Amino acid sequence: QVQLQESGPGLVKPSETLSLTCTVSGHSVSSDYYWLWIRQPPGKGLEWIGSVHHTGRSYYKSSLKSRVTMSVDTSKNQFSLKLSSVTAADTAVYYCARDLDSPVDYWGHGALVTVSS
Amino acid sequence: DIQMTQSPSSLSASVGDRVTITCRASQDINNYLAWYQQKPGKVPKLLISAASTLQSGVPSRFSGSGSGTDFTLIISSLQPEDVATYYCQKYKGDPLTFGGGTKVELK
Repeated sequence: QVQLQESGPGLVKPSETLSLTCTVSGHSVSSDYYWLWIRQPPGKGLEWIGSVHHTGRSYYKSSLKSRVTMSVDTSKNQFSLKLSSVTAADTAVYYCARDLDSPVDYWGHGALVTVSS
Repeated sequence: DIQMTQSPSSLSASVGDRVTITCRASQDINNYLAWYQQKPGKVPKLLISAASTLQSGVPSRFSGSGSGTDFTLIISSLQPEDVATYYCQKYKGDPLTFGGGTKVELK
């Protein structure tokens, strides 16, 4: 059974970098799947942040591209998200997920990250 | 970037009503369109892929149609457990884009 679990600080100060890790079990991150980050601000809709492949290929939402870095650590079967220069608008539940040029089939449970001083 | 526009943003209907939600893409996305259902505090659940393929275990009162730029999700007879927010998503390729969501409530 594939499982994804987000981890990282729940509180980040404005202007700092948000860092989250997704640990994958039951499936190798070295497979052909893309590994995704999706977020959802409180009371709002879903927003795709970006996708990364274990080969290093990645693509990001254009409006976030200048602040986002995603990577895959095959030795730990994890992938990660870094979002720099955060503001209150980045407060959201962050989901990690996977797809294969297909709809998302597995999601993490989500991690609430609040940006506040 | 491709934009996905859902309408309405919210609706209120009675049990047994037919509910229609539309999703329009700003350019042709073939049939790379999925529908998700999200209940409060829960992870989105995939209902339909490839615009019209019902996922295993999803009740047959849900159906999807469309191709190109215009898509529709229909709930043929609304049930209390269908109260949720529904999202369309363009998948396959850069970027992946979600619609803004349609909140379905009971009248």
